[in-house]
Amino acid sequence: QAQLVESGGGVVQAGGSLRLSCVASGLRFTSYGMHWVRQAPGKGLEWVAYIRYDGTETDYSASVKGRFTISRDSATNTLYAQMNGLRADDTAVYYCARDLVASGCRYFDLWGRGTRVTVSS
Amino acid sequence: DIQMTQSPSSLSASIGDRVTITCRASQSISSHLSWYQQRPGEAPKLLIYGASSLQSGVPSRFTGRGSGTQFTLIISSLQPEDFATYYCHRGDSAPYSFGQGTKVEIK
Repeated sequence: QAQLVESGGGVVQAGGSLRLSCVASGLRFTSYGMHWVRQAPGKGLEWVAYIRYDGTETDYSASVKGRFTISRDSATNTLYAQMNGLRADDTAVYYCARDLVASGCRYFDLWGRGTRVTVSS
Repeated sequence: DIQMTQSPSSLSASIGDRVTITCRASQSISSHLSWYQQRPGEAPKLLIYGASSLQSGVPSRFTGRGSGTQFTLIISSLQPEDFATYYCHRGDSAPYSFGQGTKVEIK
């Protein structure tokens, strides 16, 4: 069945970089937009970034714009998040999620299990 | 940016209770709202999209209502597996922000 699996998390010093990956299987990856959503320890969900199914459009939250880059590789069915200039408040579990749209409403029907990023100061 | 505000932040309820969670958008988002359930240590799970459409496989005790700026998630008869945190989410345009969450605990 359809599955998303994140990897690439770890411990990094403030100011450092990390690249997260999300491998999709059991679905036609090139047909779907994708998102990154994060959750800081003990906190709620925060939308981070979106990429269109063909990679031609991206959107970012204000908190990561200019530091994070979302991208995708259709050959390997992989979604990426390149995270630069990491700060302590970027510490979170990062989830990738599949984008669906119905009657103009965008929602996330499939989620990975997440990968943990810890930024040490 | 449009802010999403949920109430209450937490509630205590018993098995079989009817539970109502409210989400308010600071501006109209039409019916472009979804609801997610998150149990501890798990990824979020989609319950409702388009304000009132039940995701496939989700029990019918979950109901979504509302449009514009006011939305509700109703659990008609709380079950043990429903103790979790619930989030509303705007799906009209970026930034696709979430409400702060409502934690449903056992009374």
